[in-house]
Parts: sequence; C-alpha cells; structure tokens
Amino acid sequence: SFELTQPPSVSVSPGQTATITCSGDKLGDKYVCWYQQQPGQSPVMVIYENTKRPSGIPERFSGSNSGSTATLTVSGTQAMDEADYYCQAWDSSTVVFGGGTQLTVL
Amino acid sequence: QVQLQESGPGLVKPSQTLSLTCTVSGGSISNDNYYWSWIRQHPGKGLEWIGYIYYSGSTYYNPSLKSRVTMSVDTSKNQFSLKLTSVTAADTAVYYCARGAYHYPYWGQGTLVTVSS
Repeated sequence: SFELTQPPSVSVSPGQTATITCSGDKLGDKYVCWYQQQPGQSPVMVIYENTKRPSGIPERFSGSNSGSTATLTVSGTQAMDEADYYCQAWDSSTVVFGGGTQLTVL
Repeated sequence: QVQLQESGPGLVKPSQTLSLTCTVSGGSISNDNYYWSWIRQHPGKGLEWIGYIYYSGSTYYNPSLKSRVTMSVDTSKNQFSLKLTSVTAADTAVYYCARGAYHYPYWGQGTLVTVSS
C-alpha cells in the first residue's frame, strides 16, 4: 500500500526557514497537500496541488514536489507557525496522510 | 463560507455501531463539484482517511475499514453520515467531516467518540 513518510519533528529559530519533507514512492507524479494543525483544533490546508496556497494562507508557506519527495517550506518562521504538519496525497482513489511532523519554533 | 458540523454520540459500547452525521451550511451538498469525506484522528496520533461520498451516493472507502464502513447522504437535510460497525477501543478517535475527495479546504470542528463499556 502507498505510504507517506515524514520526520517526527523539525526545529527552527524564529525568522529562519523551516523545511518539512514528505517522501513516498513516485510522489512527484502525484498531487500533495499540506495541513497545519494547532493543538485541539481542526487541520487547516496550507498548500494544495503541490504548490498552491489557499486564500488567507500567508505567502511564507510554499510547497514543492519532485521525484519521491514533497517539501513544505516556511520562510521567516513565526512563533504562531509552531504546530503539527501533515502531508497528504492520493493513489488509486485512496487518500493517504503522512504521520505528521511537529514543528517547534525556538 | 461553507461550515461543517459533526454530531452523534460521544460514547459507544464495544461491538456496537458508531453513527455520526455532518451538517453542511453555507452551501449545497448537492453541488456537482464536491465530494464529502470523513477523516479520523486517534488520540495523540496522525490523521486517517475513512472515505468519501458524492451527493449521488457513490462512495469510496479506505480499504482497511471498508468491511465496516457505510456512508450515506441526505440532500433534503444537507447532511451526510458515517456508520462504523463492530467498533472496538481502537476506533476511539476524533472524527472529522470535511469537504473534498482528494484535498480538504473545509473541516468540521471534530467530535470525540470513545468506545468503552
């Protein structure tokens, strides 16, 4: 079955760039979305179709996808960006989420 | 602005059926462009896709849950529903409804369902 792998945690200093990866077999051939989840809240889509930002999502969030790895980049990371981040893709009509990455801003 | 709201029992006994409803407001569930999905999150864990339904009733379920899952839609009430049979403690989770099949711009607030006797 199709699987997505994320690092459990990523740390970044305020104002720096955070990079969160998501890997899967031939992932570059698929569309990837990214969700941000704050504690106790519902996920919020921050990137869809690899690179697109929904309305209201800050420009500091960007995405890319090539080969077997998709990447979420948070530029100029702020304290408010500290959250769990999940990648998601679909394969053969089945939706798969990555295990999630806890982004710590310290 | 589309809003979704889950409702249903917060406590279900083992071996029984979990039943949840998602009420959609701010838009029609019969809109040709959209599918409607259920996603769950075990306590302290990641997200798990359960399945999606189209307003016509066509469905697609997670193969790992397929034998126990049924989704339905009630266009007259602008609602869609989830039934999960033969539940165990492993089905304890926050259950979310969301709009979309392959990406989810709108989510409900989630409802915690605990399976316990």
